[in-house]
Amino acid sequence: EPEVTQTPSHQVTQMGQEVILRCVPISNHLYFYWYRQILGQKVEFLVSFYNNEISEKSEIFDDQFSVERPDGSNFTLKIRSTKLEDSAMYFCASNGQGNYEQYFGPGTRLTVT
Amino acid sequence: RKEVEQDPGPFNVPEGATVAFNCTYSNSASQSFFWYRQDCRKEPKLLMSVYSSGNEDGRFTAQLNRASQYISLLIRDSKLSDSATYLCTGGADGLTFGKGTHLIIQP
Repeated sequence: EPEVTQTPSHQVTQMGQEVILRCVPISNHLYFYWYRQILGQKVEFLVSFYNNEISEKSEIFDDQFSVERPDGSNFTLKIRSTKLEDSAMYFCASNGQGNYEQYFGPGTRLTVT
Repeated sequence: RKEVEQDPGPFNVPEGATVAFNCTYSNSASQSFFWYRQDCRKEPKLLMSVYSSGNEDGRFTAQLNRASQYISLLIRDSKLSDSATYLCTGGADGLTFGKGTHLIIQP
């Protein structure tokens, strides 16, 4: 069964450093998403991406965040200058054309020290 | 971005019992609704889509009431493996999640 994959599974970084989280969505999917979940809190939407551009973003997704689909398979989330409060699980998700069911990757646990 | 409200529980239920969860949403523009389950420190896994006509998948039944902005999930003949957090969600693009309802099935 096809699945969304994410790397790394755990990333530790120092405050102020840049991080890039990577995702490989399901191969025939066209819509891609990033969500985050701070420990003990709910899953929060960050951004959606379709046809090589952002289609929707939340108020969390400020200028420190950017997304990119550098090739036909990868979908990345970059945090330019990490803050302590960026520590969370970051989930990538994707869905196909005409189907709103989103499938989530296993997540990257980001720890900012 | 509007909210999705769920009773956080925990719901402690004996194995074999029937359990029902509800959630309400405030964004009437939401087009699609789903139930996901999330195990501790894991990703949300899609359980089922929710339709106005109702949707049944084995022991699970989901229902959407657009007029009342209310979504429900019924689990029959609950198993120990059903223990998890159940997330109600909806949206038109990015999904808005509730905080989840924690279910514990007891032997």
